[in-house]
Order: sequence, then structure tokens, then C-alpha cells
Amino acid sequence: KAGVTQTPRYLIKTRGQQVTLSCSPISGHRSVSWYQQTPGQGLQFLFEYFSETQRNKGNFPGRFSGRQFSNSRSEMNVSTLELGDSALYLCASSALAGVDNEQFFGPGTRLTVL
Amino acid sequence: KNEVEQSPQNLTAQEGEFITINCSYSVGISALHWLQQHPGGGIVSLFMLSSGKKKHGRLIATINIQEKHSSLHITASHPRDSAVYICAHGGSQGNLIFGKGTKLSVKP
Repeated sequence: KAGVTQTPRYLIKTRGQQVTLSCSPISGHRSVSWYQQTPGQGLQFLFEYFSETQRNKGNFPGRFSGRQFSNSRSEMNVSTLELGDSALYLCASSALAGVDNEQFFGPGTRLTVL
Repeated sequence: KNEVEQSPQNLTAQEGEFITINCSYSVGISALHWLQQHPGGGIVSLFMLSSGKKKHGRLIATINIQEKHSSLHITASHPRDSAVYICAHGGSQGNLIFGKGTKLSVKP
């Protein structure tokens, strides 16, 4: 089975722009979670989608949004980018809903905001 | 305050040594995850456990639910084990709460 894929792998944007990141889960997995990793804050949960519905959301501003399609692929969008949004964005897929199931992580998208 | 505490933060070992990384948490949990992150960012799930002990190759994970403590052991360490090891558990918001990680460097 192919693993979790994320595109693009690297992205450079400027402040004020918006960005869309994509995550394709392992075939058959219906849960996709998104995480932000920065040197200062470490790994933080953004949101989880299951069967096209957002189940849970972390403590991030409304500029961070996501969606999931019927084929379980997920996108996350960050609008009005700020310098502090520079981070590694990881998604993880799981066969079942909820984070207390084995999570399979993608390679991440490294976003740099200038 | 981070609800998941890991120790040590950094660990340097010689090849072949037995390594222990500790994780303490403050609330009742359903399961605890151990993750491995190599330079470059990719994360691999090593274990998810809710009681007792699990073993996979040279890696062993244990958890004591009453003491809210888990350990990850690596036997006969090898330079390829060099990575950041992160423990995490489910939070009340349906999120995963992560420790800050333990950076392990194994010297040949």
C-alpha cells in the first residue's frame, strides 16, 4: 500500500498570501489529522476530519481551515499568512476516527513565510 | 504547562548501549503513542499502548497507567537509531498532545 502523501513538500510564500496544502491518506483510511510543528511550540494538533466531517479542532485562529473530500483526500488552507506560520505541516491518516488509533504520518510540507 | 513531560531532552550514547527514554503525563488516558522523527521531518509511529509492554525488534515500550508513566527502551543501540523520539496521548478535545521530544544521538 502506498503511504500518506503530502504536496507540495516545500513552499515559500510572503506575508498576507494564502496557501493550500494537500494530503492523500493511505487507501481505505477515512481519518485525516493535521499538525503544525515549529521549533518553539513543537507539535500541535490542528484538526481531524473523518468521512468529510471535521470532528475536532485545535486552538488555532480561524485563518486555519480544512476540508476533506469524498475520496478522503484532505486539504488545509491558511489565509493571510503571518511570519509565525512558518512551520512543518504534517498530516496523518488512520483507519478509524479519533487519535487513539495508530496514526500514519506523511512526510510533511515545509512552509516558509517571508 | 505541557501535559506531557519527556526526559532526557537530549541523549548521546555509544553504539551498543541500552537506552531508556521516559514519558510522564498528568491525566487519565486511553492510549499512549511513541513516535520517531528523523532529520528531514518524517514521523513514524513506533508503538501505541494502553497497558503493559510491547516489543518490536530492539525496541520495547512499557506503560504504568497508575503511575502515569511510560518508557521506551532501545537495546543494542545503533547509529541509525539517532532521531527524535516523541510520546503523545489523546486530549480532551480529541487532539493528540505531544511531548517536546528526546533527541537521541548514537555514536559509532
